[in-house]
Amino acid sequence: EAQVTQNPRYLITVTGKKLTVTCSQNMNHEYMSWYRQDPGLGLRQIYYSMNVEVTDKGDVPEGYKVSRKEKRNFPLILESPSPNQTSLYFCASSSGTGSYFGPGTRLLVL
Amino acid sequence: QKEVEQDPGPLSVPEGAIVSLNCTYSNSAFQYFMWYRQYSRKGPELLMYTYSSGNKEDGRFTAQVDKSSKYISLFIRDSQPSDSATYLCAMSFQKLVFGQGTRLTINP
Repeated sequence: EAQVTQNPRYLITVTGKKLTVTCSQNMNHEYMSWYRQDPGLGLRQIYYSMNVEVTDKGDVPEGYKVSRKEKRNFPLILESPSPNQTSLYFCASSSGTGSYFGPGTRLLVL
Repeated sequence: QKEVEQDPGPLSVPEGAIVSLNCTYSNSAFQYFMWYRQYSRKGPELLMYTYSSGNKEDGRFTAQVDKSSKYISLFIRDSQPSDSATYLCAMSFQKLVFGQGTRLTINP
């Protein structure tokens, strides 16, 4: 079954404690991306990766890092989380005909 | 001004009604147009994908693109309670840009 998986699905942490959200896809897609979804603001792209070892900033990259060492995985790293990063995060994997989203990670930073 | 404008609703209609969801955009470079459906506590799922102006039909769903007016629509015929969700338009050129999403409720 074609899918995008994310872990963890829910996370509560404290300000400044580094965390990583993993993302994996089994569709052999080159393009992967991370979004955050906030009420009234919709989906905003954080980072994207056009292929292995190539990543670039999206619209809201501040406070986030990513890496793409292999095609299937695209982790999102928050080196020093802050309360304004409390949000719902989605990883997506894209082909030429659309993006396929993971189930989401709900993050609360205290 | 946002690149993609979408009325967030909420929109509530009776079962069986025809639903019309719309987005406008400002960037004439957008080439690909999509509609996603997002159920509560789930990730968005791709519903419709179109490339050019015109209509595309898939079952009860019809996507319409008018590039000259920078306007896209999604029509849902014979709406069902299971269609209750948030519908997001999206469009892309070099990157994918989403509308805010319209929350739709179909009342039995």
